Formats: sequence, C-alpha cells, structure tokens
Amino acid sequence: DAKTTQPPSMDCAEGRAANLPCNHSTISGNEYVYWYRQIHSQGPQYIIHGLKNNETNEMASLIITEDRKSSTLILPHATLRDTAVYYCIVTETSGSRLTFGEGTQLTVNP
Amino acid sequence: DAGVIQSPRHEVTEMGQEVTLRCKPISGHNSLFWYRQTMMRGLELLIYFNNNVPIDDSGMPEDRFSAKMPNASFSTLKIQPSEPRDSAVYFCASSFGHPQETQYFGPGTRLLVL
Repeated sequence: DAKTTQPPSMDCAEGRAANLPCNHSTISGNEYVYWYRQIHSQGPQYIIHGLKNNETNEMASLIITEDRKSSTLILPHATLRDTAVYYCIVTETSGSRLTFGEGTQLTVNP
Repeated sequence: DAGVIQSPRHEVTEMGQEVTLRCKPISGHNSLFWYRQTMMRGLELLIYFNNNVPIDDSGMPEDRFSAKMPNASFSTLKIQPSEPRDSAVYFCASSFGHPQETQYFGPGTRLLVL
C-alpha cells in the first residue's frame, strides 16, 4: 500500500470548514483513498473513501487531485465533536488491510 | 443495530494469567478484524477472518496470541500467558462484502497486565 503523509496537528474554529490534507504521491491506479477518524477513547470511525472522483456524504467531502497524488478531507461546518485524530489511508480493496499511520490531530476550538 | 460489541470493556490482570477478549460483529457482516493500539506502535492489525476463516494472521505478535471465530456472530482473542507489554487497547471491527476496508469498529477492550 502507498505511504501517506499528513500534518501532525491542525486547529479549526467551530462553525468553520476544516480542510485536512493528505499526500500520497506513490499511489497506484487501483488504490483507494480512505479516511477514518478516532475520537478520544473510542474506536476508529469510517468517514469516506474515493478512487479518483470527488465524493461527498453526510459527514464530509473528499477532494482528490487529478494526478491522485494528494487529497483533502473537508468537514464543512466543524463542531467541537469533530475533535479527533483523522487518518488518511491508501489501500487496494482486495487487500482488506488498513494500515493506520500517525494521522492528524484536529482540534476544533469554540 | 447495536454495532460491534466487545467484552470486557476493561480488564486488569497479572502477568502470566490467561486473558480472553470477546467480540460480536454486526449481524450480516462476513469479515472480522482484531486490532491493537498502543502509544508506541499506534493502531495495528493482528488478524482478520472472512466467512469465519482466518485469512491473514501475520500481525499476531507471537504464539502467546490466538484468535478463533467459531461462528459468524462470535470471535475471541486469547493471550496466554499474558505479559505487561501486552497492555493496550484491543479493537474488533467487522465489514461486509467489498470494499472490506469500510470497517465498523467496536468500543475496544482496555487491557492492563501488571
């Protein structure tokens, strides 16, 4: 699976959009980009995934660059409950193995 | 649905004792995963099952660890004998079909081995 690089921490004001970047320059054509988050003391939670098109669901939007070497997770209106560690994972769907890196600690401030 | 259920939520034991962690996946899910999370190593996959069959156990640290899935609704992770370095949070997750990477995690079992 391709390696990902994320900033260790970010801050965001409550009500504002949180934009979390992820670099995955070695991604291959059959690898998907997955985002999970882990709120303190809880199990990881699936957020969204995509291959090459931008994706949106009730939780977030995923923007993948045309060359697929980077992506951005967007939480449109961050709340205090969005404070968590956000993991960007690149993996083949046939592998079933999620490799969690360090992630980004997002802190939403009032 | 109640989600993935794990028990116990907390376990404190002494070195050398046997520890059994339990997991009930979401009904209808056909894949089950065991993860371990520590400050030093982060979140790492130990083993996963598909249709009750172990598919990849390369993450199991050593012979002291064993996992079983006797049926589609129950799995155990056993550590015998336990050691202080096994102290961690153990998560169980389940998924259905493809992509299997859309996994639903349980609340975890916090294990402390003294």
